[in-house]
Amino acid sequence: EAGVAQSPRYKIIEKRQSVAFWCNPISGHATLYWYQQILGQGPKLLIQFQNNGVVDDSQLPKDRFSAERLKGVDSTLKIQPAKLEDSAVYLCASSSRQGGKFSGEKLFFGSGTQLSVL
Amino acid sequence: AQTVTQSQPEMSVQEAETVTLSCTYDTSESDYYLFWYKQPPSRQMILVIRQEAYKQQNATENRFSVNFQKAAKSFSLKISDSQLGDAAMYFCAYRAAGNNRKLIWGLGTSLAVNP
Repeated sequence: EAGVAQSPRYKIIEKRQSVAFWCNPISGHATLYWYQQILGQGPKLLIQFQNNGVVDDSQLPKDRFSAERLKGVDSTLKIQPAKLEDSAVYLCASSSRQGGKFSGEKLFFGSGTQLSVL
Repeated sequence: AQTVTQSQPEMSVQEAETVTLSCTYDTSESDYYLFWYKQPPSRQMILVIRQEAYKQQNATENRFSVNFQKAAKSFSLKISDSQLGDAAMYFCAYRAAGNNRKLIWGLGTSLAVNP
């Protein structure tokens, strides 16, 4: 089966510019996650979608970050305006979870977008 | 608050040897899951092994096995017959079984495999 697709693979921008990342999850996966991974750290959840609804965006800096998942399939994450501290790898993941109590289902990750803010 | 601690920032092992990566966690939950993920230079996180807290038997996946000590809140990963392709960052992660619970990640251990 095709994996989680992300683009672009790399992005370099200057601070205060805007940037967008795209993710296409595995076909049929209802749950989609965006993570931010700063160098030397584990991933930090930014937002979780269940189909096209937001389940958790408690750690999303909503003054500059936005995300959408129209039609419950692919998703875009946007940063506007970017700050130096946004330099990180942005990982998208999906799972087949349909909702309800977590039961250990596997997350499938894409290869991420490495963002450098200069 | 739940936390995951990986006390070894870097480890190395000779090819074909065995290495153990440590992970401890803190939680007051009784129903949860523990994971080891591998992140090679390609950046794609890959699930290595998963353990349900209610299972006493340690999980195994080919050359990978865990030592799950629930009372001690310890979850170490053993890699047997190490291969060059095992070189990567390894992350330990925890997730409670309730609704809307996040994966809690450790800081990772960088594993080098020497030929």
